[in-house]
Amino acid sequence: AQKITQTQPGMFVQEKEAVTLDCTYDTSDPSYGLFWYKQPSSGEMIFLIYQGSYDQQNATEGRYSLNFQKARKSANLVISASQLGDSAMYFCEGANFGNEKLTFGTGTRLTIIP
Amino acid sequence: DTGVSQNPRHKITKRGQNVTFRCDPISEHNRLYWYRQTLGQGPEFLTYFQNEAQLEKSRLLSDRFSAERPKGSFSTLEIQRTEQGDSAMYLCASSLASAGGTQETQYFGPGTRLLVL
Repeated sequence: AQKITQTQPGMFVQEKEAVTLDCTYDTSDPSYGLFWYKQPSSGEMIFLIYQGSYDQQNATEGRYSLNFQKARKSANLVISASQLGDSAMYFCEGANFGNEKLTFGTGTRLTIIP
Repeated sequence: DTGVSQNPRHKITKRGQNVTFRCDPISEHNRLYWYRQTLGQGPEFLTYFQNEAQLEKSRLLSDRFSAERPKGSFSTLEIQRTEQGDSAMYLCASSLASAGGTQETQYFGPGTRLLVL
């Protein structure tokens, strides 16, 4: 069975600083993917970044990067140069091959301080 | 706007009433997912469709819940005899499954917030 763990319920970060949001996963499937989503107060889930279990390099998308450590089963999201608009809930999701098993973590509430 | 849309955005109902939500996915997407999200929690998977076929249902989906995607385009989620515990945000997402079956990105709609009094 898949399990996604996000151990930081809330974080406060100064504007323009980098922030790392933790995500660890537990799966017996050899092929899986990890996603990060942002959920602002409006409620809509916004896709940020994806990492596949066989990807050789860490994923990057603009200010977002994923620190993927397969041996540790962690897929931490790094946001560089944080902005006030980054304040939101952030969810890590795990999916096995073919998206047949989908599990979200409990989320981290990130607050950027001006 | 070619994103995922959901209607209604908010629904208040009395316990025991039936409610139906609609989701219109991104037009070329063949997979459609329903999730439930309660306050302070991550989304919980309910069910998903590939085209019109319902391929998986979570055990969270009791017999009071039914979902359809009759023509492989929009989907409806119906809750019969609502209970106060059904109060939640119901999220719909769609994705395009590739022939290789690799993980594909889900795009979420804005959700329908249900309050059962």
